[in-house]
Amino acid sequence: DADVTQTPRNRITKTGKRIMLECSQTKGHDRMYWYRQDPGLGLRLIYYSFDVKDINKGEISDGYSVSRQAQAKFSLSLESAIPNQTALYFCATSDRTREFGDTQYFGPGTRLTVL
Amino acid sequence: AQTVTQSQPEMSVQEAETVTLSCTYDTSESDYYLFWYKQPPSRQMILVIRQEAYKQQNATENRFSVNFQKAAKSFSLKISDSQLGDAAMYFCAYRSALYFNKFYFGSGTKLNVKP
Repeated sequence: DADVTQTPRNRITKTGKRIMLECSQTKGHDRMYWYRQDPGLGLRLIYYSFDVKDINKGEISDGYSVSRQAQAKFSLSLESAIPNQTALYFCATSDRTREFGDTQYFGPGTRLTVL
Repeated sequence: AQTVTQSQPEMSVQEAETVTLSCTYDTSESDYYLFWYKQPPSRQMILVIRQEAYKQQNATENRFSVNFQKAAKSFSLKISDSQLGDAAMYFCAYRSALYFNKFYFGSGTKLNVKP
């Protein structure tokens, strides 16, 4: 969905490096999320944010941190990257209204490789 | 804990025919949302269809429909008149209506469409 963008699309880094993945959205949604996808698996929630001042840990937050700079921007950081953080990372947004069932709209993903 | 199971790792269908992808889930909650997402080789996660648990009527979106059996905790996706562009990984997902960090994906079903 072009309304949710992620940068970079691909990144190769080395163990111990600090990495930031960025997400921007023009959908006007309050809620934003970060997920990771490993080969052969579905998505797992890392962090989520319901507004600029509300950030919550997901299922697998260890080794990650986030920053919600504005309603439209949500960044994911790996303070010291390790090889098992090699994965496909997705940002998503959702609308709070029940009518939409809190449906999530995903960005194109960032493929991160940690050597 | 909620789990989502897709028992068919891979399926094939002839173009123009109908195929059904299976999904079961485990939950003790009464209110929740269910989704099917499509992930083509471009890796973009695309919403196919969604269902709210309190709605008894099965959701439909053009050639896509679901068979939602709440008591059996089953949520299958039927694709009619299959097209080559339907070839992708399909993920079933469960989302709690109360706890927003409870968003679980199945492991996916790879759908091949034969011309």
